[in-house]
Amino acid sequence: ETGVTQTPRHLVMGMTNKKSLKCEQHLGHNAMYWYKQSAKKPLELMFVYNFKEQTENNSVPSRFSPECPNSSHLFLHLHTLQPEDSALYLCASSQGSSGKVDTQYFGPGTRLTVL
Amino acid sequence: GESVGLHLPTLSVQEGDNSIINCAYSNSASDYFIWYKQESGKGPQFIIDIRSNMDKRQGQRVTVLLNKTVKHLSLQIAATQPGDSAVYFCAENRGGSQGNLIFGKGTKLSVKP
Repeated sequence: ETGVTQTPRHLVMGMTNKKSLKCEQHLGHNAMYWYKQSAKKPLELMFVYNFKEQTENNSVPSRFSPECPNSSHLFLHLHTLQPEDSALYLCASSQGSSGKVDTQYFGPGTRLTVL
Repeated sequence: GESVGLHLPTLSVQEGDNSIINCAYSNSASDYFIWYKQESGKGPQFIIDIRSNMDKRQGQRVTVLLNKTVKHLSLQIAATQPGDSAVYFCAENRGGSQGNLIFGKGTKLSVKP
């Protein structure tokens, strides 16, 4: 266990549905991340939150909407997704230091299938 | 294309042998590198990291080597065990903003008993 949990672990949704992914970290970290992992492609960074403020939005379509209510919780709200959005969505957290990279610890991911 | 890549997409080794997984990067400004292990159905797990002011770092049964001259990173696993079977990713940070890690596609390591 890495101290980062994600729910649900599996999600199947239609293109007109609205759903949310949840991430929680128990490490006392201040930075949280959303990544997308598609088959045979490298991990793609989607969003970064540092001390609850969004510091990165890696040109992610607006049908993905992140929310970070506090340093321990991160959500990814999904609406009107496309089949090509099917992937493993990974959450990570790190200590969080201004302008400095530190080790990221990943959750187990949510396997999303869009029908 | 991706600047962080791997020379081999798959690697098969005999249990007890040493494994070497390679990674190439192209950005000279990259100052931090990480290796992750991802088992089936799990998220990536941190193995070891190295900063650009070092050329070698050792952990428990793992060693990371950094050759900045040829922009090459390798992960060595000593006495490979079946539990080491997984996909291994290298990632680089090109400096600048928090979380700017660029991941390679991964090498799948299979350990034969």
